[in-house]
Amino acid sequence: AQSVAQPEDQVNVAEGNPLTVKCTYSVSGNPYLFWYVQYPNRGLQFLLKYITGDNLVKGSYGFEAEFNKSQTSFHLKKPSALVSDSALYFCAVRAPSGNTPLVFGKGTRLSVIA
Amino acid sequence: DGGITQSPKYLFRKEGQNVTLSCEQNLNHDAMYWYRQDPGQGLRLIYYSQIVNDFQKGDIAEGYSVSREKKESFPLTVTSAQKNPTAFYLCASRIVAYTGELFFGEGSRLTVL
Repeated sequence: AQSVAQPEDQVNVAEGNPLTVKCTYSVSGNPYLFWYVQYPNRGLQFLLKYITGDNLVKGSYGFEAEFNKSQTSFHLKKPSALVSDSALYFCAVRAPSGNTPLVFGKGTRLSVIA
Repeated sequence: DGGITQSPKYLFRKEGQNVTLSCEQNLNHDAMYWYRQDPGQGLRLIYYSQIVNDFQKGDIAEGYSVSREKKESFPLTVTSAQKNPTAFYLCASRIVAYTGELFFGEGSRLTVL
């Protein structure tokens, strides 16, 4: 069975500083990994995904994520945080075989302080 | 514009009543999903469907029911058997391809009075 861990419930960062939101996963075989963002009382918006290829994946709004197979991690990063990046971020994983549903982490709340 | 429409946005229910949440998509996606979101618990899968007239239970299906009579529609009924139904419910869909990401609706917030 696949699982995702987001070890930090909350991440605080100053505007203009780099940000990292951590994610580790467990799955049999090569994983399909995703990041989503959620604003209050809204649905989730897709940011980026890793399927195969380059370990550094670039996504929407200047976000990127680095796949590290040896550490089973897929951390979300941004070089310079904006106040508008403040939101709830979810990491998700799916096994490559079959059409199994996405499994989500519990989410990390990012707060960017001006 | 293509997308997923959930209704109602807010719903209040008395204990003992069944309620149905609507989810409609015009993305021509094969698969549809219902997730429940509670603070600090992330998203938990209730039911999903990959083709019309077929669906599978997720991790927390007890007290819920679904139907998939049309490709575009996947309504969720929260029955009186669901002991703690107050939550934010999210519907999603995707094409049935291994790399396909989920597209989400805007959610329905159910409050039991």
